[in-house]
Amino acid sequence: EVQLVESGGGLVQPGGSLRLSCAVSGFTFSSYWMHWVRQVPGKGLEWVSRIKTDGTQITYADSVKGRFTISRDNVKGTLYLQMSSLRAEDTAVYYCARDLISSRGLDKWGQGTLVTVSS
Amino acid sequence: QSALTQPASVSGSPGQSITMSCTGTSGDVGGYNFVSWYQHHPGKVPKLMIYDVTIRPSGVSNRFSGSKSGNTASLTVSGLQAEDEADYYCSSYTSYSTVVFGGGTKLTVL
Repeated sequence: EVQLVESGGGLVQPGGSLRLSCAVSGFTFSSYWMHWVRQVPGKGLEWVSRIKTDGTQITYADSVKGRFTISRDNVKGTLYLQMSSLRAEDTAVYYCARDLISSRGLDKWGQGTLVTVSS
Repeated sequence: QSALTQPASVSGSPGQSITMSCTGTSGDVGGYNFVSWYQHHPGKVPKLMIYDVTIRPSGVSNRFSGSKSGNTASLTVSGLQAEDEADYYCSSYTSYSTVVFGGGTKLTVL
């Protein structure tokens, strides 16, 4: 069974940092592009970032560029999102998601982890 | 990277069909056949319903269908059922090698 399990969310002060992890199982992690998507409570989905199978291609949404860093460890089967210079507007549930084919659809999602940026 | 435009809400009675739209630009929806649709029940995980404009993943009901004309993609749900009530999001690959979502449409089954 395919599983994606996020962790690392919590309460952080504005300007602070946090690292999210997404541990996967049930599929060959190194064969899939991976994404982070977030959802502000009560609002819509917002794409955050994606990373190629081997980590050599990475793109970010403008709203997080320069502050967030996506990475992966194909040996550990884990996706990461390092978040820094956090702002109140980064408060959201963060989902990791598996890319079906070249960013044409996200077919498996984790249950999400809540990040709250507040003083 | 502006969000794709979706109507805030649509509604229909059980058994009826509804269509919701998703409007972008030539840099996303209009430029690629890489539009996907997600169903999201509150408190649950988003579910991929359509990818590549028209393709249903295995296990998705054939009551769901997708199409595209120019910069606007559409999702049609036929034979509405109570369990179809959810939020629906469209998404597209973009010319910036990013992904963009729509603001979401709340489907209400009357």
